[in-house]
Amino acid sequence: NAGVTQTPKFQVLKTGQSMTLQCAQDMNHNSMYWYRQDPGMGLRLIYYSASEGTTDKGEVPNGYNVSRLNKREFSLRLESAAPSQTSVYFCASSEFSPEQYFGPGTRLTVT
Amino acid sequence: GENVEQHPSTLSVQEGDSAVIKCTYSDSASNYFPWYKQELGKGPQLIIDIRSNVGEKKDQRIAVTLNKTAKHFSLHITETQPEDSAVYFCAASDNYGQNFVFGPGTRLSVLP
Repeated sequence: NAGVTQTPKFQVLKTGQSMTLQCAQDMNHNSMYWYRQDPGMGLRLIYYSASEGTTDKGEVPNGYNVSRLNKREFSLRLESAAPSQTSVYFCASSEFSPEQYFGPGTRLTVT
Repeated sequence: GENVEQHPSTLSVQEGDSAVIKCTYSDSASNYFPWYKQELGKGPQLIIDIRSNVGEKKDQRIAVTLNKTAKHFSLHITETQPEDSAVYFCAASDNYGQNFVFGPGTRLSVLP
């Protein structure tokens, strides 16, 4: 039981490049989330998926897209990376209750 | 929307002393208040939570108190140990995980 897994762990992009961050959970949770973490700002919600087939914007969705591929997987895509998207990205999942379980994170640098 | 403030931003204590971290929230509809511990290079880990129908909850050396009237809740760690050193985040949400908002975090250092 691996919980929430994220790939890659580290990534460096040039401005304008695109990439997809992958997240998978094996806890059979319905809801999944993407957050970004910046120094001194805690975690801010980018997008979430309350159940398979649905996605909704969070606090900071601009510049990102998401896909809930199936119940296990929730991906985050940056179509044209910008330096302001340099951050640590965390995926989380939860069942019907609000307790969220986090993955180990992806550290992204955009130069 | 919900706004969560957290104090202090950094906290240093001697091993064996107690540590207290305080959070305030703005949305009276929030009724779920978790605390997460984040060690260097890892994701946040849920360590304790409290719901609005409970005033205090304990789990070994960790306790959380909630004052819903004043809209604040606190994390108490007793008999601190070096492995308690980490960043701690509070959060607030409704019962369904909607409007889940984190505080900015407190970096706790336990000095041996």
